[in-house]
Amino acid sequence: AQKVTQAQTEISVVEKEDVTLDCVYETRDTTYYLFWYKQPPSGELVFLIRRNSFDEQNEISGRYSWNFQKSTSSFNFTITASQVVDSAVYFCALSEGRGYGGATNKLIFGTGTLLAVQP
Amino acid sequence: GAVVSQHPSWVICKSGTSVKIECRSLDFQATTMFWYRQFPKQSLMLMATSNEGSKATYEQGVEKDKFLINHASLTLSTLTVTSAHPEDSSFYICSAGFQGRRNSPLHFGNGTRLTVT
Repeated sequence: AQKVTQAQTEISVVEKEDVTLDCVYETRDTTYYLFWYKQPPSGELVFLIRRNSFDEQNEISGRYSWNFQKSTSSFNFTITASQVVDSAVYFCALSEGRGYGGATNKLIFGTGTLLAVQP
Repeated sequence: GAVVSQHPSWVICKSGTSVKIECRSLDFQATTMFWYRQFPKQSLMLMATSNEGSKATYEQGVEKDKFLINHASLTLSTLTVTSAHPEDSSFYICSAGFQGRRNSPLHFGNGTRLTVT
């Protein structure tokens, strides 16, 4: 069964605090892809990162960092020094199979975490 | 810039009418397009997968006669909500993928907010 769990439904932090959004996934495939998307109030989905199952290197992009742990089936997302503009719903998603980097495979989304950054 | 264009961004229609939503890939040929639905404060749920030139594959519980999908070209897929009812009010969002782009993410349109009165 394929499943993505984001146990945190809402998180509220004060600006400049660090915050980690949790994501746990389930899959029987050995090849899969994990994604994080940001959905601001306007509704569009903003791509943040894509990671394949063979690459467990952590990644940092500016204030964003991701920790991929296959042993615990987790792909957590940390925002350092949060800002009000980071307020949004964040979705973790899973794409199974061998289709070209996930580009032709459907995404299974978690339920999302609403992050509210207070000034 | 946006690589997937979705139109319209919002639409209000009367119950019983049909609404067509377009999803276009702008700078690549999308062999596969996906249609998702998102109810308020909920996650995105896949409705159907459309492949260019073939019939769409619908997820369990999605009525194919109600949600007509046409993927007639490599750059355009349309979703038609037929005989819309208030319970069809939702946020519909498409995504497009290209087999040749190994390292590209699935690109999403900006979504269409449908309100059926």
